Amino acid sequence: GAVVSQHPSRVICKSGTSVKIECRSLDFQATTMFWYRQFPKQSLMLMATSNEGSKATYEQGVEKDKFLINHASLTLSTLTVTSAHPEDSSFYICSARRTSGGPRWADTQYFGPGTRLTVL
Amino acid sequence: AQSVTQLDSHVSVSEGTPVLLRCNYSSSYSPSLFWYVQHPNKGLQLLLKYTSAATLVKGINGFEAEFKKSETSFHLTKPSAHMSDAAEYFCVVNYGGSQGNLIFGKGTKLSVKP
Repeated sequence: GAVVSQHPSRVICKSGTSVKIECRSLDFQATTMFWYRQFPKQSLMLMATSNEGSKATYEQGVEKDKFLINHASLTLSTLTVTSAHPEDSSFYICSARRTSGGPRWADTQYFGPGTRLTVL
Repeated sequence: AQSVTQLDSHVSVSEGTPVLLRCNYSSSYSPSLFWYVQHPNKGLQLLLKYTSAATLVKGINGFEAEFKKSETSFHLTKPSAHMSDAAEYFCVVNYGGSQGNLIFGKGTKLSVKP
């Protein structure tokens, strides 16, 4: 159990276009999902926390108008990179926190396989 | 500030020999501690988790980690490395319980030589 998927796994787009990445929890419900960005040979950087039915909470320095997050259901969060530029090229990873399974697992995040975004 | 430190950025071992990946965290009341593994161009997979139960935690793929409060450490070990263990390993801490965010170490790249 606790599988998280991301789609697409890889996307190449032209500068100025928008790209949507989906994150789904396949076998559990998640009121909270997280979006991370990972640069080559570096650790994950938290971009924002996505809460089902409410606005996302963005980390300092992350532009909320550029990285639009929608958490419309208990199993789906989307990240839209608007007007993408080459500097937005990165590996984007989502994670989901289980709402079920008891308190022992309430603080555990399960990660998706990541999306490689390349902006030309 | 709360933090987690992975002492080695790169560890290289021979296949069949023991693995030790070191992690220290800043002291707090009851953090949750995790080890995740990331293979190239993949997401993170949970190896194991400590949450104030047994101090020796067994995870998947033969890995285990020991929580030592006196040393504020949570080192990851495996008795015998396999080629498929070559990956990036992240020590991660959650100081805030069910509402807390994760704090990531910088990662340790494990190389396994034949």
